[in-house]
Amino acid sequence: DQQVKQNSPSLSVQEGRISILNCDYTNSMFDYFLWYKKYPAEGPTFLISISSIKDKNEDGRFTVFLNKSAKHLSLHIVPSQPGDSAVYFCAASATIAGTYKYIFGTGTRLKVLA
Amino acid sequence: DAGVIQSPRHEVTEMGQEVTLRCKPISGHNSLFWYRQTMMRGLELLIYFNNNVPIDDSGMPEDRFSAKMPNASFSTLKIQPSEPRDSAVYFCASSFQAGAYNEQFFGPGTRLTVL
Repeated sequence: DQQVKQNSPSLSVQEGRISILNCDYTNSMFDYFLWYKKYPAEGPTFLISISSIKDKNEDGRFTVFLNKSAKHLSLHIVPSQPGDSAVYFCAASATIAGTYKYIFGTGTRLKVLA
Repeated sequence: DAGVIQSPRHEVTEMGQEVTLRCKPISGHNSLFWYRQTMMRGLELLIYFNNNVPIDDSGMPEDRFSAKMPNASFSTLKIQPSEPRDSAVYFCASSFQAGAYNEQFFGPGTRLTVL
C-alpha cells in the first residue's frame, strides 16, 4: 500500500508558466515533508521542505503548500524554466515507535518546454 | 566534499549470481540509507543505519538481501542469489543524523540488471 502518492506520472509546462506538482499521503503521523529533484543518471537532491506546523514554505521560485486536513501537499514552481525539467519526488517522514520512517512517492516527471 | 560515492555505477549479472553494491557516505554523516528505485514503487527504503548499527531493515524484500556497515565510511548491500526482479537502480544516501527533519544526500546510484 503506497502511503505517499504522486498520481501524475508526468507533467508538461511552458517556460515561464507555473508548474504545480501534487502529492497525497495517508498516514496522519507524518509530520515533515520534503521535495527532491532528480536528473537522469544522478541521485535525488533535496529541494524544499515543510513542517506540519506550517501550511506554506517558500524558497525563491519554489513554494510548498501543505493541507493537513486533506493530507495533501503541492510544489509550485514559478516561473518554470527548462532547467527545472526533472523527476520530482515527494517524501513524508515521521518518527514512529522510535523508528524513523521516510517514505517517498513514485515521482512526477516535469518537462518545461522552451 | 566528494559527496556520497557508490560503486559500481552499472552492474549486469546473471540470475543466481551474487551481487555486492558499495557505498561511501559523506564524512561526518552518522546515518546511511539504502533505497531501491523502480517504476512501479518509486524510491523504497530498504534499510538504514545509525552510527553503523542497523536500525530498521523492514524494507528489505527478502532474506536474499543483506546489508552491512563495518565502519563509518563504508557500507555494502548484497543480493544472493540475484533474480531478474531485482533489476532496479539502488541508491545509497547519508545524513548527519537519522531524523525525520533531516535531508538526505544521495549517491548517483547503481543500475543493476539481472538477466
